Amino acid sequence: DSGVTQTPKHLITATGQRVTLRCSPRSGDLSVYWYQQSLDQGLQFLIQYYNGEERAKGNILERFSAQQFPDLHSELNLSSLELGDSALYFCASSGQGVGELFFGEGSRLTVL
Amino acid sequence: AQTVTQSQPEMSVQEAETVTLSCTYDTSESDYYLFWYKQPPSRQMILVIRQEAYKQQNATENRFSVNFQKAAKSFSLKISDSQLGDAAMYFCAYEVARFGAGTRLTVKP
Repeated sequence: DSGVTQTPKHLITATGQRVTLRCSPRSGDLSVYWYQQSLDQGLQFLIQYYNGEERAKGNILERFSAQQFPDLHSELNLSSLELGDSALYFCASSGQGVGELFFGEGSRLTVL
Repeated sequence: AQTVTQSQPEMSVQEAETVTLSCTYDTSESDYYLFWYKQPPSRQMILVIRQEAYKQQNATENRFSVNFQKAAKSFSLKISDSQLGDAAMYFCAYEVARFGAGTRLTVKP
């Protein structure tokens, strides 16, 4: 158990819809990262938050947005969903220093 | 931009044998971290080993070790005494934002 909690584990929705994925980092970790993993692909970095502030942005579409709340949990919002958005979305957290990531179990999104 | 390349989409090893997974990366930085993550069929990403670029000594974690060649920008993972539970996708990562495409490791009994 990494200590990172992601909900929901599975989500099926239709094109054009909007979904919210939630992540609770490990206790004490200030950084939260979001990644997208399409079928049998590597991880694509989407965005990082540190203590409520956006720290780095990767290949995140304009239809996607994220935020980190005062209690440090984070949400990834995906809107105007397309078939190609079907993927496994990982959240990870890290403490200060060495940058080791602790991953959640992922949220599998299926867009029909 | 930093890129990470894993040139072996699939590898196979006999149980109890040794296998080496390759990874090269591109960066203009002098100090950074490199990681190998394992993703078993459960899809959970698990840290295998990490290397700090300023350390010349290669990292080792039990049966897992790396061959870090900073000048060549190479970071290979060696798995000794392979076990059936080592079967997984292995991802090389540069810091937190750059991951390779992965190598699928099969372990044959």
